[in-house]
Amino acid sequence: AQSVAQPEDQVNVAEGNPLTVKCTYSVSGNPYLFWYVQYPNRGLQFLLKYITGDNLVKGSYGFEAEFNKSQTSFHLKKPSALVSDSALYFCAVERWSDYKLSFGAGTTVTVRA
Amino acid sequence: DTAVSQTPKYLVTQMGNDKSIKCEQNLGHDTMYWYKQDSKKFLKIMFSYNNKELIINETVPNRFSPKSPDKAHLNLHINSLELGDSAVYFCASSRAAGVLSNEKLFFGSGTQLSVL
Repeated sequence: AQSVAQPEDQVNVAEGNPLTVKCTYSVSGNPYLFWYVQYPNRGLQFLLKYITGDNLVKGSYGFEAEFNKSQTSFHLKKPSALVSDSALYFCAVERWSDYKLSFGAGTTVTVRA
Repeated sequence: DTAVSQTPKYLVTQMGNDKSIKCEQNLGHDTMYWYKQDSKKFLKIMFSYNNKELIINETVPNRFSPKSPDKAHLNLHINSLELGDSAVYFCASSRAAGVLSNEKLFFGSGTQLSVL
């Protein structure tokens, strides 16, 4: 079975500090990995994805994520967080065999001014 | 122009009622989805349609019936509503099923269903 785990329910950082949101995955075959962000009372928005190729993926709003096959991780990072980055972040994995997308439980990020 | 729009935004109803949520996308996408987000923000896929054909049907009570009159619309009808159906329901679309073309999902803004 495919799954993703986001070990932290909440991440709190000060504005200007680096932000990391953790994600580990478990999937048979090649993983297709995604990050989405949800702002209050809004639908999810796509941030970035890893399909193949370079392990460091760059996405929207200055976010990037690093695919690490040996650690089965796909952590989301931003070098300098903004207050406006405060939101709920979801990691997701899609199995290529049946295209089902499974989301993690989400991590709430709070960036304080 | 809203890419994926769903109505209503809020739906408050009594147990036992039947209700529908409508979704439309103007992106020309082939695939549409319904997701359910519970009170703990956990997100789970319910259904997916590709060109009006059902391709994903997760373990969902048969009180939930999706209908896709054309590939731009995917409606969700719920019969005999129960308290546990209270959640936020998100519609989404993508250009193709899966990631054949590295496609991403575009989500609507959600319908908050409250069953009293």
